[in-house]
Amino acid sequence: DAGITQSPRHKVTETGTPVTLRCHQTENHRYMYWYRQDPGHGLRLIHYSYGVKDTDKGEVSDGYSVSRSKTEDFLLTLESATSSQTSVYFCAISGGRTEAFFGQGTRLTVV
Amino acid sequence: KNEVEQSPQNLTAQEGEFITINCSYSVGISALHWLQQHPGGGIVSLFMLSSGKKKHGRLIATINIQEKHSSLHITASHPRDSAVYICAVDRTSGSRLTFGEGTQLTVNP
Repeated sequence: DAGITQSPRHKVTETGTPVTLRCHQTENHRYMYWYRQDPGHGLRLIHYSYGVKDTDKGEVSDGYSVSRSKTEDFLLTLESATSSQTSVYFCAISGGRTEAFFGQGTRLTVV
Repeated sequence: KNEVEQSPQNLTAQEGEFITINCSYSVGISALHWLQQHPGGGIVSLFMLSSGKKKHGRLIATINIQEKHSSLHITASHPRDSAVYICAVDRTSGSRLTFGEGTQLTVNP
């Protein structure tokens, strides 16, 4: 199995609290992505990174920030969680022109 | 219009049938991925294609770069093939992976 792990796998948090999800890879891939998956919408890109400290916004980036201080770690932060951010979050890695690998997902519930 | 479109959105088949799922895209790509997601499960890469055709067991994936179209075929379908199949493209510019909305496949025994 590709070396990509997400933590936590499940989280319940209250509206208005900050939340950080972590994606860790051991493949030394350049590209890392955060997606959310919701019924009827498929996978939607939140943010992605193309190198250490190099990040860019995806199509649903409002309310989210990211950081990548090391090649292996890509953090997604919900600055002030809202119920609309209840979702399943997936991290993915790719080397560009290589197979893409996905984490197991984080199920986040904002109450 | 989505940059990656899949058809059909839902597909129900009887065990043993030949299945085709289609993916069309409108952006420049360096590669196309076919992914599989079982209910409640993670996402697994089935194929990565930049040209031609690939085969793995009962699964075959083809791509026509000129027509910007790819197909995923499943021969002799089985209930364990029931899953969501997702097409994703590795764009040549901008964000790297862009996904279709997926095809929900149900294979009945």
